[in-house]
Amino acid sequence: EVQLVESGGGSEQPGRSLRLSCTTSGFTFGDYAMIWVRQAPGKGLEWIGFIRNKAYSGTTEYAASVKGRFSISRDDSKAIAYLQLNSLTTEDTAMYFCARSMATTGPIYFHYWGQGTLVTVSS
Amino acid sequence: QSALTQPASVSGSPGQSITISCTGTNSDVGIYTYVSWFQQHPDSAPKLIIYDVTKRPSGVSGRFSGSKSGNTASLTISGLQAEDESTYYCCSYAGSSTWVFGGGTKLTVL
Repeated sequence: EVQLVESGGGSEQPGRSLRLSCTTSGFTFGDYAMIWVRQAPGKGLEWIGFIRNKAYSGTTEYAASVKGRFSISRDDSKAIAYLQLNSLTTEDTAMYFCARSMATTGPIYFHYWGQGTLVTVSS
Repeated sequence: QSALTQPASVSGSPGQSITISCTGTNSDVGIYTYVSWFQQHPDSAPKLIIYDVTKRPSGVSGRFSGSKSGNTASLTISGLQAEDESTYYCCSYAGSSTWVFGGGTKLTVL
């Protein structure tokens, strides 16, 4: 069974940093792209970015709204994806979800999802 | 990357069919067939219900169907059931390895 579990969320002050983890099981982690999506309280979904699988050198792509502040990485040996959040602002307050791509190649559809980890940025 | 446009809410009675629209531009929905739809119940993770405009992942009910015409994609739910009451999001590839979501549509089953 495919499982994704996010962790690392919590309360942080503006300007600080957080690292979120997405721990996975039930599939060959290195074969799939991993995606991060966030949802501010009471708002819609926002695509943050993704990291490609090892076949595509694990390169990353980001939404313009977070590029330069957020970074995605992966540890294939541990089957974990990471989202580093830097220079936090109150607008980064959201539930952060990780997702796995549907297939090992082709368009990166967001197939399997974790339950999310909540990040609250407040002074 | 402007969000795709969805109606804020739609409603229907059990057994009826409803359609949710998702309007983009000729930089996303209009030129790519990489459109997907998600169902999200309150306090739950989104669930992929449509991809490649019309395809359903294994296990998703055949009552869900997708289509696209020009810059607008649509999700149709036939034979509405109480369990369909949820928020639905569209998502499209927007070029340059980026993706964009719609604002979400809350479906009420009357």
